[in-house]
Amino acid sequence: KAGVTQTPRYLIKTRGQQVTLSCSPISGHRSVSWYQQTPGQGLQFLFEYFSETQRNKGNFPGRFSGRQFSNSRSEMNVSTLELGDSALYLCASSLSGSEQFFGPGTRLTVL
Amino acid sequence: GIQVEQSPPDLILQEGANSTLRCNFSDSVNNLQWFHQNPWGQLINLFYIPSGTKQNGRLSATTVATERYSLLYISSSQTTDSGVYFCAVGDSTSGTYKYIFGTGTRLKVLA
Repeated sequence: KAGVTQTPRYLIKTRGQQVTLSCSPISGHRSVSWYQQTPGQGLQFLFEYFSETQRNKGNFPGRFSGRQFSNSRSEMNVSTLELGDSALYLCASSLSGSEQFFGPGTRLTVL
Repeated sequence: GIQVEQSPPDLILQEGANSTLRCNFSDSVNNLQWFHQNPWGQLINLFYIPSGTKQNGRLSATTVATERYSLLYISSSQTTDSGVYFCAVGDSTSGTYKYIFGTGTRLKVLA
C-alpha cells in the first residue's frame, strides 16, 4: 500500500505571496492532519480533516487554511507569506484520527 | 491543554549501548505514538502505544497511562539509530483529533 505523499517537496516563495501544499493520504484513510515544524516552536498542529469536514484547528492565524476533497486528498494554503512561515509542513493520515502516518513533508522557505 | 515533556533532550551513546527515553504527559490521553525523525525530516512510526508494552526488534516501549508516562527502550544501539525521537499524545474523547508533540530527544550514536 502506498504511503502518504506530499507535493511539492521543496518550495521557495517571497514575502506576501501565497502557497498551496498538497497531501494524498494512504488509500482508505479518511483523516488528514497538518503540522508545522520549526526549530523554535517544534511540531505544532495546524488542522485536521475527516470526510471533508474540519474537525479541529490549532492556534494559527487565518492566513492558514485547508480543505479536503471527496477522495480524501487535502490541500493547505498559506496566504500573505511571512518570513516566519518558513518551516517543514508535515501531513499525516489515519483511518479515523488515532494512529497517524506521516508523509515526507514539504520544506517551505520564505525569502 | 496537554503538556508533553521528553527527557533527556540530548543523548550521546557508543554503538552497542542501551538507552531509555522518557515521555511525561500532563493529562489523560487515549492516543500515544513514538516517532523517529530521519535526517530528511520524515517521521517514521515506531510504536502506537496508548497503554501496555510492545516490542519490535531492538526497540520496545511501555506506556503507563494511569501514571502519565511512556518509555522507549533502545538496545544494542547502532549508528543508524541517530536522529530525533518524538513522543506525541492525543485525546480524542472530546471529539478533538490532534496530537501534541514533545520537544524530542536528539540521539547520537558513535561508532
